[in-house]
Amino acid sequence: AQKITQTQPGMFVQEKEAVTLDCTYDTSDQSYGLFWYKQPSSGEMIFLIYQGSYDEQNATEGRYSLNFQKARKSANLVISASQLGDSAMYFCAMRAITGGGNKLTFGTGTQLKVEL
Amino acid sequence: DAMVIQNPRYQVTQFGKPVTLSCSQTLNHNVMYWYQQKSSQAPKLLFHYYDKDFNNEADTPDNFQSRRPNTSFCFLDIRSPGLGDAAMYLCATTPSGSSNQPQHFGDGTRLSIL
Repeated sequence: AQKITQTQPGMFVQEKEAVTLDCTYDTSDQSYGLFWYKQPSSGEMIFLIYQGSYDEQNATEGRYSLNFQKARKSANLVISASQLGDSAMYFCAMRAITGGGNKLTFGTGTQLKVEL
Repeated sequence: DAMVIQNPRYQVTQFGKPVTLSCSQTLNHNVMYWYQQKSSQAPKLLFHYYDKDFNNEADTPDNFQSRRPNTSFCFLDIRSPGLGDAAMYLCATTPSGSSNQPQHFGDGTRLSIL
């Protein structure tokens, strides 16, 4: 069985600062994928970034980067130069490439607030 | 733009009165999912379709049913809504066989039960 753990229920960051949102995972699969989604208060789930278990380099997408440490089973999201519009719930999720098929396992989320 | 569209955005129904939520997609993705998300919780998968093959999660109540008449449309039917079914319902799609592709979500339908 897969499990995603996000230990920070809430985080605060000042505008223009960087912030790291933690995510650890547990799986017996050798091949898997890790995703981060953003969910504003309006409710839509917005895909941010993906990391495959065999990817040797950390994924980056604009101001988002993923600090992937496979041996530690962690996939932390780093947001650089935070903006007020980054205030939202952030979910880490894992997708099994074998066995679990197309299903995602979500963590419990981290509520991020960006302050002036 | 290709997208996933959920209607309505907000739905109010009475206790015990059947309700249907709809989802359509222009992405031509094989796989469609329905999630239930309660306040401050992670989305919980109810079921998903791989083409026309229906896959129910073991803990999804019988009260929840789904239909997928074609590739583009998928419906969530709640036969006798209870107060505990008030939640956000999210539809998502993904291409089959592409494990590195994200699930694309609609904006969700917020269901309230009176």
